[in-house]
Amino acid sequence: DAGVIQSPRHEVTEMGQEVTLRCKPISGHNSLFWYRQTMMRGLELLIYFNNNVPIDDSGMPEDRFSAKMPNASFSTLKIQPSEPRDSAVYFCASSPTGYEQYFGPGTRLTVT
Amino acid sequence: AQSVTQLGSHVSVSEGALVLLRCNYSSSVPPYLFWYVQYPNQGLQLLLKYTTGATLVKGINGFEAEFKKSETSFHLTKPSAHMSDAAEYFCAVTGGTSYGKLTFGQGTILTVHP
Repeated sequence: DAGVIQSPRHEVTEMGQEVTLRCKPISGHNSLFWYRQTMMRGLELLIYFNNNVPIDDSGMPEDRFSAKMPNASFSTLKIQPSEPRDSAVYFCASSPTGYEQYFGPGTRLTVT
Repeated sequence: AQSVTQLGSHVSVSEGALVLLRCNYSSSVPPYLFWYVQYPNQGLQLLLKYTTGATLVKGINGFEAEFKKSETSFHLTKPSAHMSDAAEYFCAVTGGTSYGKLTFGQGTILTVHP
């Protein structure tokens, strides 16, 4: 089992640029989650999907953030325009049941 | 609403000593409880979970946790610490209408001294 795959692993961009983070969930898992982790705020759930449908996006910080899941094997999290305060590690996780979640290695985003 | 409190942001033990990481939760519905471990620059790895049934659950790497409803606790233990156990540990809860949404504690950093 390849696990959850995220790309890129590291992203450095300038303020104002568009950033797209990608996630491939574990095959057969029907729920997908995007999290953000910072020292100050810990782990924050941004949005989650069930069967490719967004269920709860109340954690998305503002309209600059958007997420899509066009099919069961791919999801994106987009930030446009990016700001320095968006610097964090972004995790994608998938779940076969909606309960236990399996995390990817994360994308470390730095916005300068 | 659900919440998790991890007592102690840092715990330090000697190699071979007992590891005890404390987690208390709040939930208005029967909880599902989890412990995750995060090694530096890695994602979170599921250590163990409690859903229903036996209240003492065993996980990977020799860890176990006991669900105590009366104490609203789910403490993580390991009889003998190893240097490789040094990491950050997160307790999480979900259940009921919070289906699919894990509420995480703030994490406990475990340091293991030789």
